[in-house]
Amino acid sequence: QVQLVQSGAEVKKPGASVKVSCKASGYTFISYDINWVRQAPGQGLEWMGWMNPYSGNTGYAQKFQGRVTLTRNTSVSTAYMELSSLRSEDTAVYYCAIARRDTVLMVYTEWFDPWGQGTLVTVSS
Amino acid sequence: EIVLTQSPGTLSLSPGERATLSCRASQSVRTSYLTWYQQKPGQAPRLLIYGASSRATGIPDRFSGSGSVTDFTLTISRLEPEDFAVYYCQLYGSSPRFTFGPGTKVEIK
Repeated sequence: QVQLVQSGAEVKKPGASVKVSCKASGYTFISYDINWVRQAPGQGLEWMGWMNPYSGNTGYAQKFQGRVTLTRNTSVSTAYMELSSLRSEDTAVYYCAIARRDTVLMVYTEWFDPWGQGTLVTVSS
Repeated sequence: EIVLTQSPGTLSLSPGERATLSCRASQSVRTSYLTWYQQKPGQAPRLLIYGASSRATGIPDRFSGSGSVTDFTLTISRLEPEDFAVYYCQLYGSSPRFTFGPGTKVEIK
C-alpha cells in the first residue's frame, strides 16, 4: 500500500537547521507531488510547501520563503524538508503528504492522501 | 489570500447524535477545491472528503460533505465513539497553493 515513513524526532538549538526525510513506498515516487505541513503543539495545520519529485520543482508558502528547502533523492524514493535558522516557534510536528489530483466537477483539484506519521522537531536552548 | 473559518470551535455531542461542522471561505471558491480531514490525538490527519462531497476510499457513509461558493458543511449522521476528533477543512488554490481552516473539535458530551 502507499506509505510515507518519516525520520525520527529531532532536538535542535536556536539558529540551527533540521532536515527531515520522508520515504515513499507502494507507488512510483515521481508520480505525485510531496507536500509538507507542520503543526505546533495544540495548534492547527500549516502548509509549508510542495515539491514535484520528477522535475524537482518546488513552491513555498510565503511565510517560509528563504528558510525552507525541499529536495528529493529519486534513487531511494525519499523527499526531504530542511528548515534553517530555527527558533522556538518552529517547535512542531512536521508531516509530509502525497498530493493526489483529479478532475472533480470538471475542475482540476488536489488533496493530501496519505500522510506520513509525522516528525517532532523541538527547538530549545 | 482566502481565509477559512471553521465553526464551532468545539462541538460537544453524545454518540449517536448528528454533527454538523461548518467551513466558511472569505471569498467564493470552486467547490472542487474543498477537502475535509479528520485528526485524532497523536495521529496524522486522515482524508475524509475531497471535492467538497466525494468520500475517500474506506470512509463510512455516515460522513458526508456539501456546500458551495463560500459555505461548506461536513455532516456526521450518527456519531460513533471513534469519530470524536478534530476536523479540518482545506482549500486548494493558487497562492498559497493550500490553506487550512483552524479546525473543529468534536468532543464527547
